[in-house]
Amino acid sequence: GAVVSQHPSRVICKSGTSVKIECRSLDFQATTMFWYRQFPKQSLMLMATSNEGSKATYEQGVEKDKFLINHASLTLSTLTVTSAHPEDSSFYICSARLGRGSNQPQHFGDGTRLSIL
Amino acid sequence: AQKVTQAQTEISVVEKEDVTLDCVYETRDTTYYLFWYKQPPSGELVFLIRRNSFDEQNEISGRYSWNFQKSTSSFNFTITASQVVDSAVYFCALSPATGSRLTFGEGTQLTVNP
Repeated sequence: GAVVSQHPSRVICKSGTSVKIECRSLDFQATTMFWYRQFPKQSLMLMATSNEGSKATYEQGVEKDKFLINHASLTLSTLTVTSAHPEDSSFYICSARLGRGSNQPQHFGDGTRLSIL
Repeated sequence: AQKVTQAQTEISVVEKEDVTLDCVYETRDTTYYLFWYKQPPSGELVFLIRRNSFDEQNEISGRYSWNFQKSTSSFNFTITASQVVDSAVYFCALSPATGSRLTFGEGTQLTVNP
């Protein structure tokens, strides 16, 4: 079946560091990928929609200069948390939609747990 | 605006019991999709089911079954003969038919005790 790989699975780093998270679709091409953020015991909140070959679409309240998204190919989207601070500590999870149809379900990566000291 | 409500924050059952997770949604769209995802302690989200708003037939997959009631805007999920491995957070989600934006409920933490 469709597989989405996310790397790294866990990051612990100092405040002020920039962190890059990769999201890959392993056996299918994903023109659209999604980035979510999840705080402990809370739901997933969509941060942005990543479109291959174009700029990402950010949700209201998400700083695009803070969370840089690049979707350079049909199988890879990256999220870079720039100058991370403790309040950026969270669980970040990406998803990719199999196929172009809007009725296709999103398949999720394993998530990245980011801890900023 | 779309909204998904999972009123049960936590549910605890004993193994082999049946358990139903409730999901109520709000949308102005006439066509939409409903989903259930499972999030085990490891964190990944596992896709369980997608339901088109035109299809109100209930679905059964092994021990899992889903009851879609458009009249009450509900999409409930039942696990029959629960097992310890079913312990996870379960999310109900909604998306418009013409887009991919998923709106998640707050999730229900299910704990199945041996």
